[in-house]
Amino acid sequence: AQTVTQSQPEMSVQEAETVTLSCTYDTSENNYYLFWYKQPPSRQMILVIRQEAYKQQNATENRFSVNFQKAAKSFSLKISDSQLGDTAMYFCAFMDTGRRALTFGSGTRLQVQP
Amino acid sequence: ETGVTQSPTHLIKTRGQQVTLRCSSQSGHNTVSWYQQALGQGPQFIFQYYREEENGRGNFPPRFSGLQFPNYSSELNVNALELDDSALYLCASSLGGLAGLNTGELFFGEGSRLTVL
Repeated sequence: AQTVTQSQPEMSVQEAETVTLSCTYDTSENNYYLFWYKQPPSRQMILVIRQEAYKQQNATENRFSVNFQKAAKSFSLKISDSQLGDTAMYFCAFMDTGRRALTFGSGTRLQVQP
Repeated sequence: ETGVTQSPTHLIKTRGQQVTLRCSSQSGHNTVSWYQQALGQGPQFIFQYYREEENGRGNFPPRFSGLQFPNYSSELNVNALELDDSALYLCASSLGGLAGLNTGELFFGEGSRLTVL
């Protein structure tokens, strides 16, 4: 069974600064997807960024980028130029290509301070 | 494009009762997944429906059951409610089949918060 671990329950960052959220996972699969989802107080999970395991290049989406280390089974999220609207719970998630179900970590609560 | 909608948004039940939660998938999506999110935790996979059939199930007892209708909307039913069933229940839709597997992306609703007293 796959597991996803987020070791930072809470983090805080000043507006306009950069913050990195950590995630490690455990799997015996070779082909899979990794995701970061954001869950604001509105409760709706919003996809932030996606990485396909077979791609060596790290995914980027505007201010969001990942550091994907497949051998180390590490998948961290970097948020640059943090904005107040980035305040939310962030979940790292794993999906193998066969099971079609997401396995989530326990989340990191990010607070962006003005 | 209509997003994923869930109803009701909040509800309170007592132990032993039954509950039905509803989900309308995003337009064009034929796959619906349900997740349970206990307070302060990440969501856990309950099951998935693809073209009206169960297409994968997590570690949940049989009193958690579901349906998917021809229009791809879905219901989650929970019988004999227990206190530990109190949680946010999230529905997510996607485009199943090869295209859906290639993207892996799920689109979530805002959830139904169930409180069991």
